[in-house]
Amino acid sequence: KAGVTQTPRYLIKTRGQQVTLSCSPISGHRSVSWYQQTPGQGLQFLFEYFSETQRNKGNFPGRFSGRQFSNSRSEMNVSTLELGDSALYLCASRERAGGPSNEQFFGPGTRLTVL
Amino acid sequence: AQTVTQSQPEMSVQEAETVTLSCTYDTSESDYYLFWYKQPPSRQMILVIRQEAYKQQNATENRFSVNFQKAAKSFSLKISDSQLGDAAMYFCAYRTTNSNSGYALNFGKGTSLLVTP
Repeated sequence: KAGVTQTPRYLIKTRGQQVTLSCSPISGHRSVSWYQQTPGQGLQFLFEYFSETQRNKGNFPGRFSGRQFSNSRSEMNVSTLELGDSALYLCASRERAGGPSNEQFFGPGTRLTVL
Repeated sequence: AQTVTQSQPEMSVQEAETVTLSCTYDTSESDYYLFWYKQPPSRQMILVIRQEAYKQQNATENRFSVNFQKAAKSFSLKISDSQLGDAAMYFCAYRTTNSNSGYALNFGKGTSLLVTP
C-alpha cells in the first residue's frame, strides 16, 4: 500500500494570503489528523477527522480550518497567514478512530514558509 | 490536559553502545497509551514502540525497549547496539483512551540523538 501523501511538499506564501494543504491517507484509512511542528512550540495537534466529521480540534485560532472528503482525503486551510504560521504541517492517518493497536501513520509533511 | 516532558534536548552515543532517552508525563487517567516516535532528517515520523498503560510488561521491538514506570509516570526508551541510522529526533507521546477526548497525540519537545562512529 502507498503511504500517506501530502501535497505540496514545500510552499512559500506572503503574509495575509491563504493556503490549502492536502493529505491523502493510506487506502482504507478513514481517520486523518493534522499537526503543526515548529522549533518553538514543537508538535501541536490541529484537528482530527473521521468519516468526514471533525472529531477533535486543538487550540488554534479560527484561521485554521479543515475538512475531509468522502474518499477520506483531507485538506486544511489557513487564512490570513501570519509569520508565525511558518511550520512543518504533518498529516497522519489511521484505519479507524480509536483502539489500542490502531497505529497512526504520518506523511512526509508540507513545509510552509510565510514571508 | 496531559503534558509530556523530555528533559534531554540532546544525547550522544557511540555506535554499538546503549543509550536511554527519558520521558515523564502528567495525567490523571488510569488507562492511556504511550509512544516513542523517531523523526530522521527526512522529517518522516516513524513509530518506534508503543506501550499500553494497563499492561505491566515493558514493550520491546528488536533493539528498542522501554522502561515503563506507571506510578512514577516515567516512560524511557532504551536503544541497544546503536547504529548510525538511529540518529534522529525522538519524540515521546501520550494518547488518551477516552473516546470523548478524541485521539490526538500529545508530544514532548523531543530529544536529538547523535550517533558517533
